[in-house]
Amino acid sequence: AIRMTQSPSSFSASTGDRVTITCRASQGISSYLAWYQQKPGKAPKLLIYAASTLQSGVPSRFSGSGSGTDFTLTISCLQSEDFATYYCQQYYSYPGTFGQGTKVEIK
Amino acid sequence: QVQLVQSGAEVKKPGASVKVSCKASGYTFTSYGISWVRQAPGQGLEWMGWISAYNGNTNYAQKLQGRVTMTTDTSTSTAYMELRSLRSDDTAVYYCARDSTGLNYFDYWGQGTLVTVSS
Repeated sequence: AIRMTQSPSSFSASTGDRVTITCRASQGISSYLAWYQQKPGKAPKLLIYAASTLQSGVPSRFSGSGSGTDFTLTISCLQSEDFATYYCQQYYSYPGTFGQGTKVEIK
Repeated sequence: QVQLVQSGAEVKKPGASVKVSCKASGYTFTSYGISWVRQAPGQGLEWMGWISAYNGNTNYAQKLQGRVTMTTDTSTSTAYMELRSLRSDDTAVYYCARDSTGLNYFDYWGQGTLVTVSS
């Protein structure tokens, strides 16, 4: 199975900050990468698919980039509702696998 | 609007079975499949398997082969996931998610069902 590694595992940030989360695949996955946001007690929410395509209804402050093995999720101006855990997921080959998550906390 | 509504929390003893349901609405059920994803307490997300609502084809995660069965009832637009021979490490929130191919991103998720395995 393809291993997905996110960094950092957690960090603190302030409202208004620009934040970047990195996801690395153990082998090339082209652009078959999605990003999800999960808040406590809630199901994950799709933010981005195909590495950089914003899901309908997701604010434009979220963006994704990368291909092959290295990917990033950027939040251009962190809002209070963005404090959550973020997961990447590859869907290039079976089984689809997730990163371990990055928790964004309030500084 | 697309909705996936799951059945309620379950408490089971080790060795028992559990069957979780996921009722879909707001789209043509047979045009998509359903994946099941679980999340142990404080842990990450683990894909369990997928079923096509069109023809019932399934694809299960290797580690669950032999213990998991996924089915659908197209008359009620409901998907089911049964897990047998439960162990304590099966304690998790189980999610269903819409998935067109079994190897795709998940655009809609159910609210989750907590399954607790405890003696």
